Amino acid sequence: DGGITQSPKYLFRKEGQNVTLSCEQNLNHDAMYWYRQDPGQGLRLIYYSQIVNDFQKGDIAEGYSVSREKKESFPLTVTSAQKNPTAFYLCASSMDRGGGYTFGSGTRLTVV
Amino acid sequence: EDKVVQSPLSLVVHEGDTVTLNCSYEVTNFRSLLWYKQEKKAPTFLFMLTSSGIEKKSGRLSSILDKKELSSILNITATQTGDSAIYLCAVEGGGSYIPTFGRGTSLIVHP
Repeated sequence: DGGITQSPKYLFRKEGQNVTLSCEQNLNHDAMYWYRQDPGQGLRLIYYSQIVNDFQKGDIAEGYSVSREKKESFPLTVTSAQKNPTAFYLCASSMDRGGGYTFGSGTRLTVV
Repeated sequence: EDKVVQSPLSLVVHEGDTVTLNCSYEVTNFRSLLWYKQEKKAPTFLFMLTSSGIEKKSGRLSSILDKKELSSILNITATQTGDSAIYLCAVEGGGSYIPTFGRGTSLIVHP
């Protein structure tokens, strides 16, 4: 079945550590997105990519980095520069700019 | 800056009630408005409304787009406990057509 797989489902990070969240899709979608969700805040865009080897900053990119070396994969690294990384992270994809979006099941990141 | 505002932020009802959720937006180059339901983790798609499709219905759920008022409503009739979720509104527009999401409406339906 086609879909988006995010891993891990739960992740714990120590202060000062970088961690990488995985997002893989087999929908042959061109565009992929990373959102952060905090309670009562809705979804805020971190980064997006509309084509392989190209990506753009979203509204809250500081402290995060991404890569898009393959169409299927769009990993997100939460760096130590992100001072408040505890949140729920959602990855999404779409066929082109806009249109229907498919979401992964999310990764809940907690700083310990 | 694109803006999407949902109201109310939270709502508690009893089974059988009818609810109306609101979404208003300020977006340049409007392309579409999307409604999603988020129960535990992944938001699931409900409706897409565009200039050529301003009203959608699926079972007990329906949605209308008012392009003049720059808003949309999501109606749920005869609510059930399974309707308990966060309902997200997103609008595509601007130069990149990347969706801007509202904060969501948290709906709790008591038996």
